[in-house]
Amino acid sequence: DIEMTQFPSTLSAFVGDRVTITCRASQNIRNWLAWYQQKPGKAPKLLIYKASNLEEGVPSKFSGSGSETEFTLTINSLQPDDFGTYYCQQYSRSPVTFGGGTNVEI
Amino acid sequence: QVQLVQSGAEVRQPGASVKVSCKTSGYSFTAYDIHWVRQAPGQRPEWMGWIKPDSGDTHYAPKFQGRVTVTRDTSIRTAFMELTRLTSDDSAVYYCVRGTGSLHFWGQGTVVTVSS
Repeated sequence: DIEMTQFPSTLSAFVGDRVTITCRASQNIRNWLAWYQQKPGKAPKLLIYKASNLEEGVPSKFSGSGSETEFTLTINSLQPDDFGTYYCQQYSRSPVTFGGGTNVEI
Repeated sequence: QVQLVQSGAEVRQPGASVKVSCKTSGYSFTAYDIHWVRQAPGQRPEWMGWIKPDSGDTHYAPKFQGRVTVTRDTSIRTAFMELTRLTSDDSAVYYCVRGTGSLHFWGQGTVVTVSS
């Protein structure tokens, strides 16, 4: 299985900050990577697919970059509603696998 | 709008089976794969498998092969996931998701509790 490693595991930031989350794949996954935001008691919500494509309806403050084995999610101008856990997911090769998550605290 | 509505919470004893349903609306049911993902408390999501509703073709994660069966009924636009030989490690929220690899539209989740 392709192992997905995220860091940091916890991130504390202030309103207005720009934050970056990193995800590393154990193998080359080209750009078959997605990012999700999850709030307590809710299903994950897709933010970014194919490494850098913004899902419809997601604010442009979220952006993704990277390819092969290293990827980043950037959140500009952090707001209180951006708290939650963020996961990366690879879908290059079965089985689909997720990173361990980054808990963003405002 | 696209909606996936899952069946309600289930409690099972160890060794039993559970079957979760996922009723869809707002799009062409046969045009998109349906995935099943579960998430235990405090853990990362875990992908279980998918079904192509038009053909019924399925693909499962090796971890669940032999224990999971995903089916669909196109007449009622509904997908089903059955998991057998349950243990306490199977206690989790189970989600159906419409996706193509990336997972775009999620059901609300079904809590499955395995306890004696």
